[in-house]
Amino acid sequence: QSALTQPPSVSGSPGQSVTISCTGTRSDVGSNKGVSWYQQPPGTAPKLIIYEINNRPSGVPDRFSGTKSGNTASLTISGLQAEDEADYYCSSYTSSNTYVFGTGTNVTVL
Amino acid sequence: EVQLVESGGGLVQPGRSLRLSCAASGFTFGDYAIHWVRQRPGKGLEWVSGISWDSGSKVYADSVKGRFSVSRDNAWNSAYLQMNSLRLEDTALYYCVKRLSGDTRAFDIWGQGTMVTVSS
Repeated sequence: QSALTQPPSVSGSPGQSVTISCTGTRSDVGSNKGVSWYQQPPGTAPKLIIYEINNRPSGVPDRFSGTKSGNTASLTISGLQAEDEADYYCSSYTSSNTYVFGTGTNVTVL
Repeated sequence: EVQLVESGGGLVQPGRSLRLSCAASGFTFGDYAIHWVRQRPGKGLEWVSGISWDSGSKVYADSVKGRFSVSRDNAWNSAYLQMNSLRLEDTALYYCVKRLSGDTRAFDIWGQGTMVTVSS
């Protein structure tokens, strides 16, 4: 199972919006709603920020939103803040009853 | 407090075995699937294995199939990852993670990880 494809890095100024893409195949992203996103600041464990494409766990700011179209999912961070600097990973459940993560995207706040 | 605590990592020679443990607290452990995710130094996340709430279903990544075995003991609120025939490329921080309830395919609770180093 190959990793989902994400851009290595994205950046934006405070207050701006950034979008991270996550491209898979019809066997993973394109096959079900089990797409999730994780935020990992340096030196810490990942934290779930989006599940089932566009749902936010309790406590996650509504600045974070997700979408999906075909084999590509996207995470948008609106109103970028300094605390949003981190690595972000998408994940998808697959048609083989396994999971696959994305390659990861480093978000920099300029 | 809901938490997962991994242990059992360490330095091991190629070809040898290691058993990781994951101790859960703060939630009804037996109601949830538990998975293992690893992260090689400086690299991304890689899903490794998962076990259903009742141990009836166990799944593995191709990279560890036949070498790793996942198990759990709900009476002890613990999960385990038995790693055999370890390879240099198994060197990673191993996270124990809890899957959300029902059919929701996402991991909401992560441990702090335990480091496994495979080296001669």
